[in-house]
Amino acid sequence: AQKVTQAQTEISVVEKEDVTLDCVYETRDTTYYLFWYKQPPSGELVFLIRRNSFDEQNEISGRYSWNFQKSTSSFNFTITASQVVDSAVYFCALADSGYALNFGKGTSLLVTP
Amino acid sequence: GAGVSQSPSNKVTEKGKDVELRCDPISGHTALYWYRQSLGQGLEFLIYFQGNSAPDKSGLPSDRFSAERTGGSVSTLTIQRTQQEDSAVYLCASSLEMTAGPGNTIYFGEGSWLTVV
Repeated sequence: AQKVTQAQTEISVVEKEDVTLDCVYETRDTTYYLFWYKQPPSGELVFLIRRNSFDEQNEISGRYSWNFQKSTSSFNFTITASQVVDSAVYFCALADSGYALNFGKGTSLLVTP
Repeated sequence: GAGVSQSPSNKVTEKGKDVELRCDPISGHTALYWYRQSLGQGLEFLIYFQGNSAPDKSGLPSDRFSAERTGGSVSTLTIQRTQQEDSAVYLCASSLEMTAGPGNTIYFGEGSWLTVV
């Protein structure tokens, strides 16, 4: 069975603060893929990153960074110097060699001016 | 089109009526997926297509739900005799290939918001 846990339901920060969104996953597969998606109020899920299980290198993309640690089965997402436009629901997802993405329940991030 | 297109964007229907939701995937994408997002329930996988074939329909919540895909492109999700618990956002997605391998990012549409009254 696969399971993705996003323990933080809602987070509220003030603009320019750093914020980390947690994601913990469970899988018995040795080959799997992890994803983060952003869902703004418009509803569309916007792809942010995909990471395979053999690549534990952390990744940075502008203000976004991801920390993948197989030892703790975590794939955390950090936004540095948050902005109001970062306000959205963020989903972590897991896929094995099959076809379905298993999503966590999402973390709602509110960034206030 | 440039992205996954879904219609209608919003649909209000009376309990017991049938509804059809349409998805137009990104051109060239062979894999197509339907998900449902209910308030407080997260994202639930319903069905996927590889070409016109749906190898696994076990994610469909009941036999009132069906889906088809024609010409390896447009897909329709049909809900018969709608119930209030069917109210949700129905999200369609597509990818170049079925598996979540390198290069196979899954792209989502904006969803069809269904309200059953």
